[in-house]
Amino acid sequence: LAKTTQPISMDSYEGQEVNITCSHNNIATNDYITWYQQFPSQGPRFIIQGYKTKVTNEVASLFIPADRKSSTLSLPRVSLSDTAVYYCLVVDYKLSFGAGTTVTVRA
Amino acid sequence: SQTIHQWPATLVQPVGSPLSLECTVEGTSNPNLYWYRQAAGRGLQLLFYSVGIGQISSEVPQNLSASRPQDRQFILSSKKLLLSDSGFYLCAWRGLAGVSYEQYFGPGTRLTVT
Repeated sequence: LAKTTQPISMDSYEGQEVNITCSHNNIATNDYITWYQQFPSQGPRFIIQGYKTKVTNEVASLFIPADRKSSTLSLPRVSLSDTAVYYCLVVDYKLSFGAGTTVTVRA
Repeated sequence: SQTIHQWPATLVQPVGSPLSLECTVEGTSNPNLYWYRQAAGRGLQLLFYSVGIGQISSEVPQNLSASRPQDRQFILSSKKLLLSDSGFYLCAWRGLAGVSYEQYFGPGTRLTVT
């Protein structure tokens, strides 16, 4: 299972764009990159998934370079309610969560 | 639509007592099922996953066990709880259609071992 490394915490302000980069140097050919969001006392919620290049949905964008050794989750114009822990996962058929990145959005 | 249930929501148990947490999924067939534990302020630790009835894979050696007696039922058990078993237990499922790794999580059980 590919190991991921992401920052422990990030601070931002309302209306700004937040970019969280995750390193996964040992990613395998069949692995996908997935990001989840978790609020306190709740289970994680799926945000986005990608294999290569760029993926965008109504919540976020995911940028994956050609070598796939890293990925960047981009949250546009964050609000206070985006304060949460964000997890980067590299998955084949089972999903293991690391410590995640705690994003704090301030007014 | 699919829903996932976990119970109980909270539980306080003494050290050495048994444990049984239940998870059921509705609205889907043959899902992959998962048990996670989250200690306070920590990330999620994958405990068990199951790809079918009676098929259990353990990720971490411990005094917990899991069983899947029915397609959409996943049970986490212990014969004797330890203090270190305290935490937030989450059940999740994932469908097998396509190449989606979107997991759906239950509401969780907050376990305190005293």
